[in-house]
Amino acid sequence: RKEVEQDPGPFNVPEGATVAFNCTYSNSASQSFFWYRQDCRKEPKLLMSVYSSGNEDGRFTAQLNRASQYISLLIRDSKLSDSATYLCALGRGRRALTFGSGTRLQVQP
Amino acid sequence: DGGITQSPKYLFRKEGQNVTLSCEQNLNHDAMYWYRQDPGQGLRLIYYSQIVNDFQKGDIAEGYSVSREKKESFPLTVTSAQKNPTAFYLCASSIDSGGANEQFFGPGTRLTVL
Repeated sequence: RKEVEQDPGPFNVPEGATVAFNCTYSNSASQSFFWYRQDCRKEPKLLMSVYSSGNEDGRFTAQLNRASQYISLLIRDSKLSDSATYLCALGRGRRALTFGSGTRLQVQP
Repeated sequence: DGGITQSPKYLFRKEGQNVTLSCEQNLNHDAMYWYRQDPGQGLRLIYYSQIVNDFQKGDIAEGYSVSREKKESFPLTVTSAQKNPTAFYLCASSIDSGGANEQFFGPGTRLTVL
């Protein structure tokens, strides 16, 4: 089983829709969690960290469910500019982050 | 401007040649990383360095080598021993190697073997 798993998508949604992605992880010792956004042929950029109590940044909400070992990203009022691949990343101890393969989102007019 | 730079942006290599990819950061970060990304796939860790003059192998280190002689610089050499080197190479850094810290990426180098 992969350490981090994401549904590759694509998720095709109309503008204004709400969409959610999950990222499941297998190692319960994971300590830090992040969502990155990657545009086509570009580098990943940090979207937000994921805190135990959940956190929100504008239209984006991230949550952590340690019992079921997954994190989620909710995007409200989707914009065309939200079209990208969303990567989750996990940290454990002094290791480098482990990345999922990403979920592709396509927002359509 | 603070950030991570990688050069070149595109690199073409003949089979059997070694090539070196540059990564420089002026963020005063202790830790630096090299990842490889293949089309439609996630990032795979090649090497990482937690401090100057020290580095560790990642998950796919075979056919690659690195050095960390300066805090700001972490060059990656793709050797002829790397069987399938065509990929997108991403360098990243973080404040230190503690797992709680975000990693920030450079713009990447696309390597194509002809």
